[in-house]
Amino acid sequence: SQQGEEDPQALSIQEGENATMNCSYKTSINNLQWYRQNSGRGLVHLILIRSNEREKHSGRLRVTLDTSKKSSSLLITASRAADTASYFCATDQNRVQGAQKLVFGQGTRLTINP
Amino acid sequence: IAGITQAPTSQILAAGRRMTLRCTQDMRHNAMYWYRQDLGLGLRLIHYSNTAGTTGKGEVPDGYSVSRANTDDFPLTLASAVPSQTSVYFCASSVNPGVTEAFFGQGTRLTVV
Repeated sequence: SQQGEEDPQALSIQEGENATMNCSYKTSINNLQWYRQNSGRGLVHLILIRSNEREKHSGRLRVTLDTSKKSSSLLITASRAADTASYFCATDQNRVQGAQKLVFGQGTRLTINP
Repeated sequence: IAGITQAPTSQILAAGRRMTLRCTQDMRHNAMYWYRQDLGLGLRLIHYSNTAGTTGKGEVPDGYSVSRANTDDFPLTLASAVPSQTSVYFCASSVNPGVTEAFFGQGTRLTVV
């Protein structure tokens, strides 16, 4: 099963509104990352938040992390048409043997209506 | 321009044929990954490599194999393609396993008929 699960699966809002997407995960992590994917393209890294951080900002992006609830949220303020894309959270699975791998959720499809 | 390159960009393949998807990065990243992306299922990890010379299985490794003979290259091989392997395949790399941002290639769209 996916380590990260995004909610909602799809979100449609008006330009200028704020968009909030959530991610839940199951195991302990070192960090959580958010990525964006425009249609037909590869993923692009947006922001990384470490397990000892609770909130992080980057431009119009705000990410929160609640390790007690194993959840994170991505807020995009003052949305623009260019923000239309799919957004994915990704976590590192920290294994006893030391093998680490980056695992993605299924994504939230965000549509910004002009 | 430094980055990660995949080839081919798209391919139609007859079932039963062998196919290798190529992935090369010039950023000297230690970790590399192969994902497949299917509608409604998101990205699923096929195989990964934390460093040159080592590989590991992801969520959906069956029917795929990888090798990591050097830092730059991480080819993905389908030994005998089946229609269920029709997907978009993404290669990615990161400086270190899991703890830093991943850089993605542009993807390979594979259709098995």
